[in-house]
Amino acid sequence: ETGVTQTPRHLVMGMTNKKSLKCEQHLGHNAMYWYKQSAKKPLELMFVYSLEERVENNSVPSRFSPECPNSSHLFLHLHTLQPEDSALYLCASSQPTGSGELFFGEGSRLTVL
Amino acid sequence: AQSVTQPDIHITVSEGASLELRCNYSYGATPYLFWYVQSPGQGLQLLLKYFSGDTLVQGIKGFEAEFKRSQSSFNLRKPSVHWSDAAEYFCAVGARWTGGGADGLTFGKGTHLIIQP
Repeated sequence: ETGVTQTPRHLVMGMTNKKSLKCEQHLGHNAMYWYKQSAKKPLELMFVYSLEERVENNSVPSRFSPECPNSSHLFLHLHTLQPEDSALYLCASSQPTGSGELFFGEGSRLTVL
Repeated sequence: AQSVTQPDIHITVSEGASLELRCNYSYGATPYLFWYVQSPGQGLQLLLKYFSGDTLVQGIKGFEAEFKRSQSSFNLRKPSVHWSDAAEYFCAVGARWTGGGADGLTFGKGTHLIIQP
């Protein structure tokens, strides 16, 4: 069982679809993150949850909606996306106190048609 | 605000040769510094990290990095690369957390390492 698991690994959706990305961590961490990785751009921090409360938004469009029902699970709900939203979405977790080292999942590759 | 610069987008090295990947950071206090590696289609794996103390840190897979405060640098090195080292390498900076908050890390744009046979 890997530390941080993301599903699905690949997702293709139309601009009018609604889908969700799921992340689960088995490391006992209390903070979880969504990062967006696009070609030729640095990783962009989208959302942070610490102790199940959202602490960072970074002006992400409302067509992305996060949900953190408990400290082990994180979702990213997607609706009416645009083609420029196609990217690799990475989930990470960490302990909220200490060094800030992040543990990443393998990512969900999203393609918006 | 903190930032990370990786000036080399691509680097090509012959197998068996030495490697140095550059990283410069901007941060107002003593940073926490990280190097991550990403293979195609995979997530990021931590290679090494610097928090305090000895400025030369050892990591996995034979990598090391040296923190130089005067140069605001944290360059990654390996004495002899292997074909399996071909990947994307990311430098990142983090802040000390307070009050149980979570800040995440700020990443550079990455350096793509190509290994020539």
